[in-house]
Amino acid sequence: AQRVTQPEKLLSVFKGAPVELKCNYSYSGSPELFWYVQYSRQRLQLLLRHISRESIKGFTADLNKGETSFHLKKPFAQEEDSAMYYCALSGSGAQKLVFGQGTRLTINP
Amino acid sequence: NAGVTQTPKFQVLKTGQSMTLQCAQDMNHEYMSWYRQDPGMGLRLIHYSVGAGITDQGEVPNGYNVSRSTTEDFPLRLLSAAPSQTSVYFCASRDGLVNEQFFGPGTRLTVL
Repeated sequence: AQRVTQPEKLLSVFKGAPVELKCNYSYSGSPELFWYVQYSRQRLQLLLRHISRESIKGFTADLNKGETSFHLKKPFAQEEDSAMYYCALSGSGAQKLVFGQGTRLTINP
Repeated sequence: NAGVTQTPKFQVLKTGQSMTLQCAQDMNHEYMSWYRQDPGMGLRLIHYSVGAGITDQGEVPNGYNVSRSTTEDFPLRLLSAAPSQTSVYFCASRDGLVNEQFFGPGTRLTVL
């Protein structure tokens, strides 16, 4: 079964501080992992995916198969990063995308 | 391109009423899905479709029906609404090659 766990419902950090949003997953095969973000009054949108290994808006995420984790990191938080963040998993060849519970990130000035 | 559209934006129902949430996409995507978003529960998959005429259940399908008669449309039906179905509903689509889902703006449903 596919399962995604985001242990923090709420995360609050100061502007300029490092940010790490945790994501752990459970899947027996080779998963594809994603981070989606929902800014206030906007649609849910893709932030980044592990296969592209890119940095978007200063965020990076590394897939750690040994720890079954896909934590999202940013070295210096900005106020515009305040949003709801969802980690998601798609199994190999699967059509469905399973989401975690979400973490609401608040960046304090 | 309008992307993924959903109607209505808001809806209030009484227990036992039925209604259909509409979802359409103009990107010729094969895959479409319905999710519900509840505080502390994240996004949970209700039903999904891999193409016209093909649907399957997600994590929380009870109380909901879907059909996919065309590539563009994927309506979600509540046959007898219950207060537990109060939620925000999101429709999403993606094509078969690029594994990126595009989401609609959501429908906020309240069942009294």
